[in-house]
Amino acid sequence: NAGVTQTPKFQVLKTGQSMTLQCAQDMNHNSMYWYRQDPGMGLRLIYYSASEGTTDKGEVPNGYNVSRLNKREFSLRLESAAPSQTSVYFCASSQRVSGQVYEQYFGPGTRLTVT
Amino acid sequence: DAKTTQPNSMESNEEEPVHLPCNHSTISGTDYIHWYRQLPSQGPEYVIHGLTSNVNNRMASLAIAEDRKSSTLILHRATLRDAAVYYCILRDPLSGGYNKLIFGAGTRLAVHP
Repeated sequence: NAGVTQTPKFQVLKTGQSMTLQCAQDMNHNSMYWYRQDPGMGLRLIYYSASEGTTDKGEVPNGYNVSRLNKREFSLRLESAAPSQTSVYFCASSQRVSGQVYEQYFGPGTRLTVT
Repeated sequence: DAKTTQPNSMESNEEEPVHLPCNHSTISGTDYIHWYRQLPSQGPEYVIHGLTSNVNNRMASLAIAEDRKSSTLILHRATLRDAAVYYCILRDPLSGGYNKLIFGAGTRLAVHP
């Protein structure tokens, strides 16, 4: 099991450029998430997908779009990158631990710099 | 989701126990207490969770106060690999929003040889 994989690991963009961050999980999880982490801060939820075919906004969705391509893959797109989007981006998926409690599994992150 | 308060940082020596506190005075009766940790340059990883009773697993123990307004994550013998940021998170599984976790700044644990 590779778990949650993310590509690329690092990316530098110029303001106004677009790009897509890719995420895939091989654990057959229904739910997937995108977070961003700014220096010295905790993670903030951008978007999540409860199941294939559904997506919902999190705390900080502005400037981003997502696609749940299939059960395995959940991509995050920046249409017009801004310096404020410089951050580390984490993808996660979740499985039930007990009852209604879920454990989230995180990928290694994508470090994005927008100049 | 209710708010948690954790110290910004703590230090420990290797092979000593570590007690990481978390205050959550506004916890509701259905909030679960989750702990995640984030090793340097990695994504967070699940550590443990509990509702009312103390919990043990291979990584740590979770001690929950009787009034549930605070909890403590216990690492029984700290190793250098335990140096990480530890997040205490409350989550009501019945509150909707599908398993969203709200991360605070956490406690940065330094472990000295």
